[in-house]
Amino acid sequence: NAGVTQTPKFRVLKTGQSMTLLCAQDMNHEYMYWYRQDPGMGLRLIHYSVGEGTTAKGEVPDGYNVSRLKKQNFLLGLESAAPSQTSVYFCASSRAGGQGETQYFGPGTRLLVL
Amino acid sequence: GQSLEQPSEVTAVEGAIVQINCTYQTSGFYGLSWYQQHDGGAPTFLSYNGLDGLEETGRFSSFLSRSDSYGYLLLQELQMKDSASYFCAVRDGYSSASKIIFGSGTRLSIRP
Repeated sequence: NAGVTQTPKFRVLKTGQSMTLLCAQDMNHEYMYWYRQDPGMGLRLIHYSVGEGTTAKGEVPDGYNVSRLKKQNFLLGLESAAPSQTSVYFCASSRAGGQGETQYFGPGTRLLVL
Repeated sequence: GQSLEQPSEVTAVEGAIVQINCTYQTSGFYGLSWYQQHDGGAPTFLSYNGLDGLEETGRFSSFLSRSDSYGYLLLQELQMKDSASYFCAVRDGYSSASKIIFGSGTRLSIRP
């Protein structure tokens, strides 16, 4: 049981490049989330999904797109990376309803945009 | 707008008790959660309060007062491994599908 996994673990991009971060969970969770965390800061929600085929905007959605084509996967895309998107990105998943308050986090992806 | 306020840093002595407060202002409310994060690691879930009162899980307890928009995390019998950042989080709405907002975190340092 791997829990929540993220790919890649670390990436360096040049301004304007694109990339996709992959999140996978094997707990059959309905809800999945993408957060970013800047140094010394809390987590800020980028986008989230409450079920396969559905997505919703979080607190800081600009510059990012997501897709949830399969229940176990949640993809985060950066179409044109900017230095302001340098951050640590965490994916999380949870059950639906009241049990959804326990989020399980992946190990994070460290992204540096030059 | 929505916001969560918690102290940025707290220092305590090993074996002591420490309380980390969290006040929130949101358009809706669906419970208060607490997470722990060690440096370089991922957040891990500690506790959740959906109703007013105290929830106890081992050395950790969490309290919620919805009328005061306030909660706290209580850590007892502090150990060096408790040195970490602690985040409160709420859903900004009235359902489990509402978006989640995290506080900026409280960095807890434990002294021997």
